[in-house]
Amino acid sequence: DAKTTQPPSMDCAEGRAANLPCNHSTISGNEYVYWYRQIHSQGPQYIIHGLKNNETNEMASLIITEDRKSSTLILPHATLRDTAVYYCIVKTGNQFYFGTGTSLTVIP
Amino acid sequence: DTEVTQTPKHLVMGMTNKKSLKCEQHMGHRAMYWYKQKAKKPPELMFVYSYEKLSINESVPSRFSPECPNSSLLNLHLHALQPEDSALYLCASSPIWPTFSNQPQHFGDGTRLSIL
Repeated sequence: DAKTTQPPSMDCAEGRAANLPCNHSTISGNEYVYWYRQIHSQGPQYIIHGLKNNETNEMASLIITEDRKSSTLILPHATLRDTAVYYCIVKTGNQFYFGTGTSLTVIP
Repeated sequence: DTEVTQTPKHLVMGMTNKKSLKCEQHMGHRAMYWYKQKAKKPPELMFVYSYEKLSINESVPSRFSPECPNSSLLNLHLHALQPEDSALYLCASSPIWPTFSNQPQHFGDGTRLSIL
């Protein structure tokens, strides 16, 4: 049921921007894209979501392509505490179906 | 700090035991969820409650029995579990679809369940 595909792992140098890609080629016109992250032994933490416009909050920026078939989560200045598994999710009705996620490692 | 509280944080039980997991939220959300997460895997949806009524059961075995006694509480009753049921059980809540269809789910930190 997962509607998203993500690379299994990525590394990023501390202080640099982390760009995490996600493909959601079957997304419908009214479905939102959500990003969560999960640090070991904790529950998923909400980061950001969007429909078609780019979004920014205090944690991250979300860039959605014009055709909405892919998106990129940007952490502008990665820190060691950003090491986590990042999930890109397309919500169907009331339901989240998680993809396999990207394990991001921030390297000192 | 999480706004969804799950208890207990850890639970070890035998295959013949009966136990319950509890989830509580006070955000006024009328949709609540149970997920199961195995090690190094993404969360998998188990149940969805809307307005305290079960709306989705993702073909979960009957040894897992959910209950929503009021709009703030969600329980998961466990009976005769198998070792493969050992996992992290996550609860989440959100404003109800479709009125607030773009609002995110809020997750608790889960109950780590081990079946002996």
